[in-house]
Amino acid sequence: NAGVTQTPKFQVLKTGQSMTLQCAQDMNHEYMSWYRQDPGMGLRLIHYSVGAGITDQGEVPNGYNVSRSTTEDFPLRLLSAAPSQTSVYFCASAGLAGETQYFGPGTRLLVL
Amino acid sequence: DQQVKQNSPSLSVQEGRISILNCDYTNSMFDYFLWYKKYPAEGPTFLISISSIKDKNEDGRFTVFLNKSAKHLSLHIVPSQPGDSAVYFCAASGGFGNEKLTFGTGTRLTIIP
Repeated sequence: NAGVTQTPKFQVLKTGQSMTLQCAQDMNHEYMSWYRQDPGMGLRLIHYSVGAGITDQGEVPNGYNVSRSTTEDFPLRLLSAAPSQTSVYFCASAGLAGETQYFGPGTRLLVL
Repeated sequence: DQQVKQNSPSLSVQEGRISILNCDYTNSMFDYFLWYKKYPAEGPTFLISISSIKDKNEDGRFTVFLNKSAKHLSLHIVPSQPGDSAVYFCAASGGFGNEKLTFGTGTRLTIIP
């Protein structure tokens, strides 16, 4: 049982490039979400999903796209990276019965 | 506008003593509160939670207190151990349990041996 996995661990992008941050969970959780952590800001919710085919925006969704084609995977896409998207990104999952959210180890992204 | 506030960025406590971490919130719709612990280069891990229908919840060395009228919660760690050194995040949610968490900015706790 690997829990929540994220790839890559670290990525450097140039402004304007696109990339996809991968997130997978093997706990059969319905709820999945993406957060970003910036210094002095805590974690902020980007997008979330309550099940396959259902996604919604969080607090800071601009510049990011998500899709949920399977229960296990919830990729986060940056269509045109900007320096303001330099951050550490965490994926999390939870059962819908109000269970605890489990976080992945994070992806550190640097946009030059 | 920060709806969940942790006003102490850092806290140092002697090993064996009590650590008290504080958190304030402004949104009256929050009804579920959690504490997460985070080590460097790792994701946050769940520590303890409390529903708004309670004012206290204990789990071993960790106790969370909730004062709804003051919109304040605190995490007590007794006794503090060196492995407790980490960043602690307070988080809150409303409506559906612990989804859509709103996090505080974190408090770095250092336990001095």
